[in-house]
Amino acid sequence: KQEVTQIPAALSVPEGENLVLNCSFTDSAIYNLQWFRQDPGKGLTSLLLIQSSQREQTSGRLNASLDKSSGRSTLYIAASQPGDSATYLCAVRLDYGGSQGNLIFGKGTKLSVKP
Amino acid sequence: DGGITQSPKYLFRKEGQNVTLSCEQNLNHDAMYWYRQDPGQGLRLIYYSQIVNDFQKGDIAEGYSVSREKKESFPLTVTSAQKNPTAFYLCASSPRGRGYTFGSGTRLTVV
Repeated sequence: KQEVTQIPAALSVPEGENLVLNCSFTDSAIYNLQWFRQDPGKGLTSLLLIQSSQREQTSGRLNASLDKSSGRSTLYIAASQPGDSATYLCAVRLDYGGSQGNLIFGKGTKLSVKP
Repeated sequence: DGGITQSPKYLFRKEGQNVTLSCEQNLNHDAMYWYRQDPGQGLRLIYYSQIVNDFQKGDIAEGYSVSREKKESFPLTVTSAQKNPTAFYLCASSPRGRGYTFGSGTRLTVV
């Protein structure tokens, strides 16, 4: 059964620091991987989607990489800001559709960026 | 703008009462999902639907029911059989094989 793990569970950094959030999954046969951001009491906002054939995706200060063979993805945040404080969730999709098309989530990393 | 609308934002349920959470999307996505989020537990899948008039149970379907009569709508009913319904409920949709879009959530509390 596919399991998704995010380490660390919480992270506190000073403003301006570059940081990396980690996501690992047990079955490398994924269809795609998606990173989300969740602010307290809010829904999930999609940050980046990486298809299984891709190695990385970039959006502004965010860069997500995917290494299927090792079952890992990283989310790199450059020049962190207090507004980046949120919980970051990683999720994998095993297939195009059917029950395997459902996202499997990690429990998230709670990021706090101190001014 | 396209998106997913969940209502209400806050909902209070009395013991033994059924309540319905609304989820509407104007993204023309085929698939829709309901997740439950509890502190420390992560997101757990309740029900999902890939086409109109068809839906499947997720990991924690007991005590919940859904319908998918229109492509745009996927309401979730929390029945009296759900013994611990207090949680944050999230609805999502996706086109086949692509990324998910989530709504802003409904917080349900038993009073």
